Amino acid sequence: DQQVKQNSPSLSVQEGRISILNCDYTNSMFDYFLWYKKYPAEGPTFLISISSIKDKNEDGRFTVFLNKSAKHLSLHIVPSQPGDSAVYFCAATGGTSYGKLTFGQGTILTVHP
Amino acid sequence: DAGVIQSPRHEVTEMGQEVTLRCKPISGHNSLFWYRQTMMRGLELLIYFNNNVPIDDSGMPEDRFSAKMPNASFSTLKIQPSEPRDSAVYFCATCLSAGNEQFFGPGTRLTVL
Repeated sequence: DQQVKQNSPSLSVQEGRISILNCDYTNSMFDYFLWYKKYPAEGPTFLISISSIKDKNEDGRFTVFLNKSAKHLSLHIVPSQPGDSAVYFCAATGGTSYGKLTFGQGTILTVHP
Repeated sequence: DAGVIQSPRHEVTEMGQEVTLRCKPISGHNSLFWYRQTMMRGLELLIYFNNNVPIDDSGMPEDRFSAKMPNASFSTLKIQPSEPRDSAVYFCATCLSAGNEQFFGPGTRLTVL
């Protein structure tokens, strides 16, 4: 039972355009969501997070949107840069899972110059 | 701070051998997590500790897997005996007890022949 799903295995975007990465979850107890970025041969690094009391959180070029009724969140990167090319993981926690992160399968983002 | 330190970075062993993976958390971080990443299952939580005490080991796949945290600055994940299906990248991550942002080490790539 996959509680966090990233249905797009990969995404290709032109430099300067917007990248939109999507994530769906099924556990209604989740109340805190995070995005991690992972480069090859490195561990995931924290990018941005959002609490369920908000519907948007912005940090520079990165914005995360949360739609609780749809159990959906998205990460927007604008403008996209070649250095953003990486695997992006969505993660969630909360309720009885507090303290534990449940990760999605990841989306490979490629930003072309 | 050096971040989360994992050793070895790469391990190649033969089926049946014992494998020990090591992790040094960020100083002051009280929670430590062991994850396994495979193509098929993505990032899975194996076990996590809070203040050196195992809190949830429900992700440990079999009795062949064991983890210890003898003190606040060291943890091990042991596989005995190892099998080819254990081949994966194993990550250690740590965080402050009260926070949800986890900091990942660079991972250990394990290959069991």
